[in-house]
Amino acid sequence: GQQVMQIPQYQHVQEGEDFTTYCNSSTTLSNIQWYKQRPGGHPVFLIQLVKSGEVKKQKRLTFQFGEAKKNSSLHITATQTTDVGTYFCAGGGSAGKSTFGDGTTLTVKP
Amino acid sequence: DAGVIQSPRHEVTEMGQEVTLRCKPISGHDYLFWYRQTMMRGLELLIYFNNNVPIDDSGMPEDRFSAKMPNASFSTLKIQPSEPRDSAVYFCASSRYGYTFGSGTRLTVV
Repeated sequence: GQQVMQIPQYQHVQEGEDFTTYCNSSTTLSNIQWYKQRPGGHPVFLIQLVKSGEVKKQKRLTFQFGEAKKNSSLHITATQTTDVGTYFCAGGGSAGKSTFGDGTTLTVKP
Repeated sequence: DAGVIQSPRHEVTEMGQEVTLRCKPISGHDYLFWYRQTMMRGLELLIYFNNNVPIDDSGMPEDRFSAKMPNASFSTLKIQPSEPRDSAVYFCASSRYGYTFGSGTRLTVV
């Protein structure tokens, strides 16, 4: 079945440093979604990318979908303490179901 | 829009007891998902429904787990009998464009 791998598993940064998490699928995806889960909270939908090579920005967050639609990345510029949490990618396949990666947990040292 | 509503928020029960978790999805969302999250196993998809019909229950760990969706506005996940290893946070999510997760039910089986 479809597998979505996410790296790194953990990332510790100093406040102000940049952060990137990568997502790779074993199969071509119809779309890729990104979620953020704060400690003790629930995953919250951030964005969905659909087109090959698509790039979208949300303030300091930049999301990319690979040309082959098998990989994606989330880049945060100048991290802040409010960026702390676990970032999940989810690859959209068939039948309305998305396959979640294991997440990247970001900690930010002030 | 109140979002996806789950109840109870916390549940502590003794081993062997029946546990019922409840979910009210967002109106108009035609997909409903039940996930379980633990530190060891991450986010696991248990079962999902499309238009109230179960599509894939291959993630349900064993026969002690069952889920129903009698109508578009309500779903339950039942564990009978419960065991300590079922302790986890259980999330319900509904989807039309990206997943909207509920706040989760933190289940502790002692």
